[in-house]
Amino acid sequence: DQQVKQNSPSLSVQEGRISILNCDYTNSMFDYFLWYKKYPAEGPTFLISISSIKDKNEDGRFTVFLNKSAKHLSLHIVPSQPGDSAVYFCAASDWDNQGGKLIFGQGTELSVKP
Amino acid sequence: GAGVSQTPSNKVTEKGKYVELRCDPISGHTALYWYRQSLGQGPEFLIYFQGTGAADDSGLPNDRFFAVRPEGSVSTLKIQRTERGDSAVYLCASSLNELSGANVLTFGAGSRLTVL
Repeated sequence: DQQVKQNSPSLSVQEGRISILNCDYTNSMFDYFLWYKKYPAEGPTFLISISSIKDKNEDGRFTVFLNKSAKHLSLHIVPSQPGDSAVYFCAASDWDNQGGKLIFGQGTELSVKP
Repeated sequence: GAGVSQTPSNKVTEKGKYVELRCDPISGHTALYWYRQSLGQGPEFLIYFQGTGAADDSGLPNDRFFAVRPEGSVSTLKIQRTERGDSAVYLCASSLNELSGANVLTFGAGSRLTVL
């Protein structure tokens, strides 16, 4: 069963506009959520995280929102830049039951057009 | 080293052959993870080590897959009797695995395995 889902395989946005990437999860025991960014032929790199006790975390142009009741999180990028074009993965962890491993979604490919 | 190092970066083999993939984690990281990523999918968990022992191997697909980390640093993922369905990018990651805060995994660039 897919515990973390990203239902949009791709997203195209104009440079300077907002990019919104979405992620849904099924396991209410997840305590941390993370976003990773991946360029071709490279490993995923960590972008931003949020604890399950918060509903928002901001780092520069990147903000992650968490809606626990809906089991939904989103990553906002404002303003979007061409260098943001990559595949974005959301991931979640459940320390008490699954230890430190991360469960990943399928990814959303973001294309930011100049 | 500064990052997670994986070798080989590319491996082409024939069906039925044996393959070893190596991972050198960030110095001081006690936890080491193996993931597999197929085309169009996210990284799929295989196994993770805390020190020398496998803390969770629930993601290994079958007994053809095995991993070791004998000295708590470098790890080797071993695949016996490879099948075409094993073709994927195998990602290794390491972390400090601290209980406070998000457990941020740092990934290597991956080993692309192609089974002909």
